[in-house]
Amino acid sequence: EVQLVETGGGLVQPGGSLRLSCAASGFPFGSFWMSWVRQAPGKGLEWVGNLKPDGSYKQYVDSVKGRFTISRDNAKNSLYLQMDSLRDEDTAIYYCATDDVSGYFSDWGQGALVTVSS
Amino acid sequence: EIVMTQSPDTLSVSPGDRATLSCRASQSVNSKVAWYQQKLGQAPRLLIYDASARATGIPARFSGSGSGTEFTLTISSLQSEDFAVYYCQQYNQWKTFGQGTKVEIK
Repeated sequence: EVQLVETGGGLVQPGGSLRLSCAASGFPFGSFWMSWVRQAPGKGLEWVGNLKPDGSYKQYVDSVKGRFTISRDNAKNSLYLQMDSLRDEDTAIYYCATDDVSGYFSDWGQGALVTVSS
Repeated sequence: EIVMTQSPDTLSVSPGDRATLSCRASQSVNSKVAWYQQKLGQAPRLLIYDASARATGIPARFSGSGSGTEFTLTISSLQSEDFAVYYCQQYNQWKTFGQGTKVEIK
């Protein structure tokens, strides 16, 4: 059974940083593209970015480019999201998800809440 | 950016009835559309990919159709567990989601 467990969420001030982790199990993590998707409170879904299985290629939505960095450690079956220069509008639940090579999201974690507020 | 527009925003349906949800893309996305179900407080769940392929374990009452710019998710006979919010997503060019359709009990 595929399991994705996000940790590291919390309250951070505007301009601050936070690092999310996603622990994966139940599938060959090192063979899968992985994505982060976020959802602001009461709002819809927004794809944040993704990362190739070997970590050599990554993509980001324009609103986070230059501020967020996705990385992975295949030996630890883990995905990360480093978030810097956080803004109020980054407040959301952040989900990690398996990213089929075609581009849809097959499996999702339960999400981690990030609140950016002073 | 490709904009996905879902209609209606809210759909009121009686259990056992058929529900038809629509999704329109601002330009052609071929058949690169997925549908997700999200219940309150839960993560989204993949229902349909490539416009009409059901994901593993998804009941046959869920079906998807369409290509180009017009897509439809049909739930043939609504069960109590189907009342939720549904999102479409295109992955032909980057990845963008519709705003969601809430299916509520009539």
